[in-house]
Amino acid sequence: QKEVEQDPGPLSVPEGAIVSLNCTYSNSAFQYFMWYRQYSRKGPELLMYTYSSGNKEDGRFTAQVDKSSKYISLFIRDSQPSDSATYLCAMSGTGNQFYFGTGTSLTVIP
Amino acid sequence: GAVVSQHPSWVICKSGTSVKIECRSLDFQATTMFWYRQFPKQSLMLMATSNEGSKATYEQGVEKDKFLINHASLTLSTLTVTSAHPEDSSFYICSARGTPGTGINIQYFGAGTRLSVL
Repeated sequence: QKEVEQDPGPLSVPEGAIVSLNCTYSNSAFQYFMWYRQYSRKGPELLMYTYSSGNKEDGRFTAQVDKSSKYISLFIRDSQPSDSATYLCAMSGTGNQFYFGTGTSLTVIP
Repeated sequence: GAVVSQHPSWVICKSGTSVKIECRSLDFQATTMFWYRQFPKQSLMLMATSNEGSKATYEQGVEKDKFLINHASLTLSTLTVTSAHPEDSSFYICSARGTPGTGINIQYFGAGTRLSVL
């Protein structure tokens, strides 16, 4: 079983839709949960991170962590064509080990 | 937020030459930096983890003599692709671990370097 599972998509939504991106994980020791956005031929850009459980909101983006279910989500409200990218989830504990999902490709159609 | 600068963004070289890629943390000290390789439409593949002042730890299957990593200071790590061949053509991305002044354990990525070997 992989440490982190992420549906690769592709996911295609109309502009203005709410997008839900999800990852599941198996290691209960993970403490930091990150979401990155990667445009084609660019490095991943950190969108948000959460420590332990709970929700975090930043503009149109909301990150949720449910440690009891080992499940994290990223919600994008009022999606825009500029949100079209690959979204990566990542997790870590306290050391140098980071675990990434394979990424979900999102297209927002005008 | 923390900024990681990677240079060059694109390099074209002839087969057999060596190419150096720089990765700098601009506003924080990064004791640990990572180097990734990414093929089109594929996920990140960790190549090595480098800690300042010590030898890099390479992932299985990555040739340490081919991909030389130096992390001589808290803000700079370099990856040198030695005697590059066309099969080394790829997108290389560095990242730095940490957040200024805190113990938050997350990574910040550079913009990536596209290497084309002719």
